[in-house]
Amino acid sequence: DARVTQTPRHKVTEMGQEVTMRCQPILGHNTVFWYRQTMMQGLELLAYFRNRAPLDDSGMPKDRFSAEMPDATLATLKIQPSEPRDSAVYFCASGLVLETQYFGPGTRLLVL
Amino acid sequence: KQEVTQIPAALSVPEGENLVLNCSFTDSAIYNLQWFRQDPGKGLTSLLLIQSSQREQTSGRLNASLDKSSGRSTLYIAASQPGDSATYLCAVFKTGANNLFFGTGTRLTVIP
Repeated sequence: DARVTQTPRHKVTEMGQEVTMRCQPILGHNTVFWYRQTMMQGLELLAYFRNRAPLDDSGMPKDRFSAEMPDATLATLKIQPSEPRDSAVYFCASGLVLETQYFGPGTRLLVL
Repeated sequence: KQEVTQIPAALSVPEGENLVLNCSFTDSAIYNLQWFRQDPGKGLTSLLLIQSSQREQTSGRLNASLDKSSGRSTLYIAASQPGDSATYLCAVFKTGANNLFFGTGTRLTVIP
């Protein structure tokens, strides 16, 4: 059955290193979202794309985070340089309409 | 900004009990409200979606209600089972915001 996939599932890295997270949306979905989940803040929207174009990235720290969709089957979220406060679970979700989203299993990031 | 609150943060009940989870939101200008389930280490699964014009939705043992004017929603789980143990999050899609606003969740444990 169709589902959103994310890689890697877990990532441990040292402060200052670049981190790249990947997401494969459900085939045919034209909207892709990136969320971050922490114990303190809960789920926060970082950015979302429609038809591969970024529509809103206001939730993303611009100095170190970047999100792209090189093609319709791949979305990437990069952090450079990473910091310990970036440790969180990063979720990708996709959908056909903004209000109905299907979530991937997440990438659990730990920055030491 | 839309604030979404869920109380209690954690709940333990014996198997077979009926239970209610609560969600409140500050801005009643919502398009819809969803209840999600999140299992440890997994992504979110949508359980029920209530449009702003509706008052409730049912799926199996789950019933969600919406009172938009008072900014409240409840998720009723009948005859709870250990398999219901998970974190339950509510999220509102705010009119014009093009964004889901999530609560911090209620962690439910159903004791066999």
